[in-house]
Amino acid sequence: AQSVTQLGSHVSVSEGALVLLRCNYSSSVPPYLFWYVQYPNQGLQLLLKYTTGATLVKGINGFEAEFKKSETSFHLTKPSAHMSDAAEYFCAVRPSGTYKYIFGTGTRLKVLA
Amino acid sequence: GAVVSQHPSWVICKSGTSVKIECRSLDFQATTMFWYRQFPKQSLMLMATSNEGSKATYEQGVEKDKFLINHASLTLSTLTVTSAHPEDSSFYICSAAQGASIVNTEAFFGQGTRLTVV
Repeated sequence: AQSVTQLGSHVSVSEGALVLLRCNYSSSVPPYLFWYVQYPNQGLQLLLKYTTGATLVKGINGFEAEFKKSETSFHLTKPSAHMSDAAEYFCAVRPSGTYKYIFGTGTRLKVLA
Repeated sequence: GAVVSQHPSWVICKSGTSVKIECRSLDFQATTMFWYRQFPKQSLMLMATSNEGSKATYEQGVEKDKFLINHASLTLSTLTVTSAHPEDSSFYICSAAQGASIVNTEAFFGQGTRLTVV
């Protein structure tokens, strides 16, 4: 069965510091990969996605992620954290040939002033 | 991007009553809609997949008779929590997929509905 692992349920960074949120997936066939952000009591907002093509994907709000097939990873990064980045981040995969999304357990990002 | 709207955003109901949550795709036709449940501080778990005009497909462990899903049109799906109990209190999120082709189809998420059963 497909699964998504997000290392670190809580990550704290200082404002202006690098943000790195880790995501690994298990799949014999590379799936479609997504990062979503969720603010309190709100739905999910798509940050970025990888389907095919360039493995470095740029998203909104300065975030980017790199698909590494050999490592089965899709880590999310941002060079400089902003206070407004504090939120819950979910990595998700969508196996080829299905509509279903499989979500990781989420990482809560805290940005320290 | 496409917009998916859920209504209501939050609802409080008494134990034993039923609650209906609507999910609408505002600017596109959604062939397939999905319902997820999110417990506090946990991830989203897919409950069921609904296709317009046909019965929903429920994930293992989800009670079909308790969580009634109707996808009567290409822009509206409803989730009815029947005989709600406090353990049904949760955050429910829907998503809608545009197009009939799976390839490159992206699902768009609603803003969620927080259900509290007292």
